[in-house]
Amino acid sequence: GESVGLHLPTLSVQEGDNSIINCAYSNSASDYFIWYKQESGKGPQFIIDIRSNMDKRQGQRVTVLLNKTVKHLSLQIAATQPGDSAVYFCAENMMDSSYKLIFGSGTRLLVRP
Amino acid sequence: DSGVTQTPKHLITATGQRVTLRCSPRSGDLSVYWYQQSLDQGLQFLIQYYNGEERAKGNILERFSAQQFPDLHSELNLSSLELGDSALYFCASSAGGGGKLETQYFGPGTRLLVL
Repeated sequence: GESVGLHLPTLSVQEGDNSIINCAYSNSASDYFIWYKQESGKGPQFIIDIRSNMDKRQGQRVTVLLNKTVKHLSLQIAATQPGDSAVYFCAENMMDSSYKLIFGSGTRLLVRP
Repeated sequence: DSGVTQTPKHLITATGQRVTLRCSPRSGDLSVYWYQQSLDQGLQFLIQYYNGEERAKGNILERFSAQQFPDLHSELNLSSLELGDSALYFCASSAGGGGKLETQYFGPGTRLLVL
């Protein structure tokens, strides 16, 4: 079946550097995408979202880029901090007869001091 | 804090038993979603309720059932528990659910351990 996946299971970055987490999706009908951050022992926390009519959306220190041509989504974190260490999930939300989020497998971000 | 609450935080039980997990959505949210997160499966959508009615079903086993009450809180019932049911169970809520695309906000989860 169609699913959302991630290229890198673990990403290690130096504190202060920028981080880029990638995600590939396969469902061309998906028109809404969300990035979640999950810290150990906690539930997924909404970070940023983007609709398919946009290519880029910026938040506080985070930017999401959407390339519909190659079905690719990325999350950029500027000036990565120790508190950014977590597992990051991309999720696609497909509009059809049912309504559900399909999550990728997650990328663990480790921030080195 | 997302505003979604879940109880209990931890649950330890034995195989064959039945448990009930409870979720209260964010104030004003009409939809509740249940997810299972295990090490080898990631986050799997189980079921969605919107304003008291089942809206969508995912990979939910027949041994599992859910309901949403008039006050919009939801319960997930897991019966005839097996070792493989050990996982984190998350509840999420969103404002609507009538076919619109909305952000889901997650609760802290219930960690279920079946011995």
